[in-house]
Amino acid sequence: AQKITQTQPGMFVQEKEAVTLDCTYDTSDPSYGLFWYKQPSSGEMIFLIYQGSYDQQNATEGRYSLNFQKARKSANLVISASQLGDSAMYFCAMREAYNTDKLIFGTGTRLQVFP
Amino acid sequence: DAGITQSPRHKVTETGTPVTLRCHQTENHRYMYWYRQDPGHGLRLIHYSYGVKDTDKGEVSDGYSVSRSKTEDFLLTLESATSSQTSVYFCATSGQGGGEQYFGPGTRLTVT
Repeated sequence: AQKITQTQPGMFVQEKEAVTLDCTYDTSDPSYGLFWYKQPSSGEMIFLIYQGSYDQQNATEGRYSLNFQKARKSANLVISASQLGDSAMYFCAMREAYNTDKLIFGTGTRLQVFP
Repeated sequence: DAGITQSPRHKVTETGTPVTLRCHQTENHRYMYWYRQDPGHGLRLIHYSYGVKDTDKGEVSDGYSVSRSKTEDFLLTLESATSSQTSVYFCATSGQGGGEQYFGPGTRLTVT
């Protein structure tokens, strides 16, 4: 079974608008971590944001926030005030406590920001 | 930026030849990882290391071996390259197990 599911292969958003990229996960471990990475067309992987399963508040980093709904097992990335430079692939990943050294990645969502 | 470099950045090789990819880091991170990225699959873990001479298999380790003789270097070897190993290979490092990973620029390998 897929541990990380990103159901949106592609998303479009207009500049300055907010966009939500979906991520659902599957784990029976009560302790886990969720990560989002950005991969622009140049190919590098850039760490964006982290959410721990026991964190009381949703993580935020500048224009990025994570809408963490534990009961629904979802960890959606919200990008506020989109910029043209946000156009990229976005990957959700999970780390389970019993296997703390490894990340499991989703298949990614391609975001395109248009003027 | 974890100061991670990969070499070579691009390589074309023939089926059956051995290939070694190198990852070098300057951050003294304990953990190092090798991933491959293919369309429709995201990133999949090949092997990882949790210290010098300490390595373990990932999800797609068949046909690959690794070595780590120094903290800063992690080598990935394809003993006999096959066309199915055509991919983009990423190295990553982490200062702690389970923490965020920092990625190198990637190596595009084509096996003809």
